[in-house]
Amino acid sequence: DVKVTQSSRYLVKRTGEKVFLECVQDMDHENMFWYRQDPGLGLRLIYFSYDVKMKEKGDIPEGYSVSREKKERFSLILESASTNQTSMYLCASSRGSIPAGYTFGSGTRLTVV
Amino acid sequence: AQTVTQSQPEMSVQEAETVTLSCTYDTSESDYYLFWYKQPPSRQMILVIRQEAYKQQNATENRFSVNFQKAAKSFSLKISDSQLGDAAMYFCAYRHRIQGAQKLVFGQGTRLTINP
Repeated sequence: DVKVTQSSRYLVKRTGEKVFLECVQDMDHENMFWYRQDPGLGLRLIYFSYDVKMKEKGDIPEGYSVSREKKERFSLILESASTNQTSMYLCASSRGSIPAGYTFGSGTRLTVV
Repeated sequence: AQTVTQSQPEMSVQEAETVTLSCTYDTSESDYYLFWYKQPPSRQMILVIRQEAYKQQNATENRFSVNFQKAAKSFSLKISDSQLGDAAMYFCAYRHRIQGAQKLVFGQGTRLTINP
């Protein structure tokens, strides 16, 4: 069964900490995405990557960065966590040229205190 | 920029009845895909159904079907014979057909409750 695995289901961090959210997929997908999900706002795209070492900003990249050193792994980095980054973070992947939907991870609920 | 709007934050339906979730979108493109995703309490997003804009025929998947009105930019999801397992958040999403990396634009979501 194909999978997108997010390293943590729940995470609590302090304001100002550097936070790493990890995502690994085993489907050899070219594209990987980070979204945050907030009530009433749906899913908003933070960053995405269509190849190793490639990244592009999504709609809300401020306060975040990403790293993709290997095809299967896409990391989201909160450089200095703030309370307004408390949210659900969803990772997803998709195959490059096939018009399929995404395969999602189960999400990381991050609380910044 | 493309936008997707789900105007119903919450819906409820009696078990075994039919419910329709609404979705509208805004785009200047003519070639794109539309999706409905389901997110149960487990948080795992599941693809429910997909529609290609160039196809006039509405997509169906078992008890799930869509009403795709391209001119009106409307893409509603109909769930027939509702079951308790259908309770979830439902998200409508848009993707341009040609643009790279398959970015999806999501709506705000509709929380569906099934009453036994």
